[in-house]
Order: sequence, then structure tokens, then C-alpha cells
Amino acid sequence: NAGVMQNPRHLVRRRGQEARLRCSPMKGHSHVYWYRQLPEEGLKFMVYLQKENIIDESGMPKERFSAEFPKEGPSILRIQQVVRGDSAAYFCASSPAGTSYEQYFGPGTRLTVT
Amino acid sequence: DAKTTQPPSMDCAEGRAANLPCNHSTISGNEYVYWYRQIHSQGPQYIIHGLKNNETNEMASLIITEDRKSSTLILPHATLRDTAVYYCIVRPNNNAGNMLTFGGGTRLMVKP
Repeated sequence: NAGVMQNPRHLVRRRGQEARLRCSPMKGHSHVYWYRQLPEEGLKFMVYLQKENIIDESGMPKERFSAEFPKEGPSILRIQQVVRGDSAAYFCASSPAGTSYEQYFGPGTRLTVT
Repeated sequence: DAKTTQPPSMDCAEGRAANLPCNHSTISGNEYVYWYRQIHSQGPQYIIHGLKNNETNEMASLIITEDRKSSTLILPHATLRDTAVYYCIVRPNNNAGNMLTFGGGTRLMVKP
């Protein structure tokens, strides 16, 4: 059973460009979570999605950030008009249900904005 | 905000047991204690979780005090590969508790 997959692993964008981060959950998992880890800081929750639905986006910045988890295909975290402060590691996690099940994390995407 | 308190760092000799403490004095009756670890530059890894009984799996043991206000994660025979940041997290067992709230964690250094 393959684990959570994220791509790309490393992404470099210039200021003002768009960044698209992809997450494929573990087989059989229908719940996806995105977390961000700024340099030398802990992980912060961003958004929780089920197929075709955003359940909780309380940790998402109000502007430039969006997320989706379509019926088919991976979950996408999209950052428009990136700024240097967006440079961070973005981790995706998945779980088979949204209550007491543990979350399994992917290897992360390291975004660098130049 | 994180609802747990952990020492920022600990050292452990290779082959010895690593005992990582966590205080969660405001824990509610429906909240579980979860432990994750993050090895440098990797995604967090689930270790173990429990409600009130002690738990053991192939990775570690979790000892929760009777009043549930604190717990200890035990790695019985630490190896160099156990060097990581260990996060203790309390999380409700209901639909509102889907996110994980990470605090500062404990940076465990296993030394030869």
C-alpha cells in the first residue's frame, strides 16, 4: 500500500508566480489535510478536505491560497502571486475517516520563492 | 494553540530507554493523546495514541497517568535513527477534532 504521495518535492517560484502542490492520499483514504511548516517553526494546519468538499479552512490565509480535492485525481493546494513569506514546507496528510483515525503524512513539498 | 507542554530538548544514550514527558493538564474527557515524530526534513510520522489506558505497539509505549493530566512516551531501546522532534498532541474524538495542533515538541538527540 503506497503511502501519501506529494509532488513536486521541491518547487522554486519567482515572486508573483503561481505554485501548485499536489497530494495523492493513501489508497482507501478520502480525507486530506494540508499543513505548512515555516523555517524553524512547527506545523500549522491549513485546510481539511473530503472529496469535492472543503470541511475546515480555518488555517488558510484569506487571500491567494485555495485548495481542492476533486472527485477524481489528487488534492491541489494553489498559491497565487507567491511572495517570499510563502517559502515553507507544505505537508499533506490523509486518513480513512475524519474522527479518531490517525493521519498519515506525505514527504512534503518544499517551496522556495526567489 | 497547543494544549500540551513538553521539554524543548532531551538527550538519550543509544540502546537505552528514552522517556519523553508531556503535560496536558486541561485535557477533556473526550480527548485522546497522540504522539507523532518528525525526523529532519521528513513528514511527521504517527507513533501511538491513547485515551486513558496504557498502550503499546511495535514502536513505543504510552503511559497515561490516572488523572490523564500527563503522559510519557517510551522508546524502549533508542537508536540513532530515533533522533527526531517528538510531538505530543491532544485531539478530540469527534468531528471537530480533525486537525492536529502541533506545539514545539521535544527534540530528542540519541547519542552513541
